[in-house]
Amino acid sequence: NAGVTQTPKFQVLKTGQSMTLQCAQDMNHNSMYWYRQDPGMGLRLIYYSASEGTTDKGEVPNGYNVSRLNKREFSLRLESAAPSQTSVYFCASSEAPGQNTEAFFGQGTRLTVV
Amino acid sequence: AQKITQTQPGMFVQEKEAVTLDCTYDTSDPSYGLFWYKQPSSGEMIFLIYQGSYDQQNATEGRYSLNFQKARKSANLVISASQLGDSAMYFCAMREGWSSGFQKLVFGTGTRLLVSP
Repeated sequence: NAGVTQTPKFQVLKTGQSMTLQCAQDMNHNSMYWYRQDPGMGLRLIYYSASEGTTDKGEVPNGYNVSRLNKREFSLRLESAAPSQTSVYFCASSEAPGQNTEAFFGQGTRLTVV
Repeated sequence: AQKITQTQPGMFVQEKEAVTLDCTYDTSDPSYGLFWYKQPSSGEMIFLIYQGSYDQQNATEGRYSLNFQKARKSANLVISASQLGDSAMYFCAMREGWSSGFQKLVFGTGTRLLVSP
C-alpha cells in the first residue's frame, strides 16, 4: 500500500540546472498538490491540480512548472534551478474537491541548489 | 493576511501531562475544514485530526482532541497524556472555499513540541 510516492528523495543541483520531481499516488485521488517546506515558513503551496487535465498556481509558483500526466502522476519541474529553491518538496493528494478529507503526503524530496 | 496563525514556535511538556497547541485562522467562508498534521524528525506528514466548520462537537481521535471555538476562530490541538514519541513539529491547516470551487489546503508555520521524561 504505497500511497504517495515521490522520487528522488535527495538531490543536489548546480545553479541553472534543470530537473523534474516525480510524484505518483495509488489511491485514485482526483486532486494533487506540490508544496515546499522552508524553516519557519511552514508548507507553502506551489501548484495544484484539482483533477486530471487541470493545473493551477498556488502561493509560490515562480520558477516552477507542473504536469498532470494522468490521474496518478503529477510532476514538478525546475527549469533553471536557483539557490532560493533549496527546500524540502512534498507532493500530496486528496479526494475530489469539496470533500472534507485530509491530504496524504509523500515522504518528501530534499533539494539543495548550490 | 495570514490564513493560519500558530503563535508558539516551540512548546515543552513533561511526559504524561497534557499540552495545548494554538491555532487561529482567518476566513470569511462559512464552509471550511481544519486539520492538524504531525511531522516527526523523519520528515513525513501524518494526519492527526479534522474539524468541519459545521460540526457541532469538538473532534477527538484517541489522545488528540481539537478545541474548536468558532466565534474566536481558533482550533487548538490538545494532546493528553504526552508521550516521548509526541516530540515533533505540528502543523495546523485549513481548507476553505467551498463556494468558490477548488479548496486548497493552506498551512500555518508550525509548532515544535518537545516532550521530556
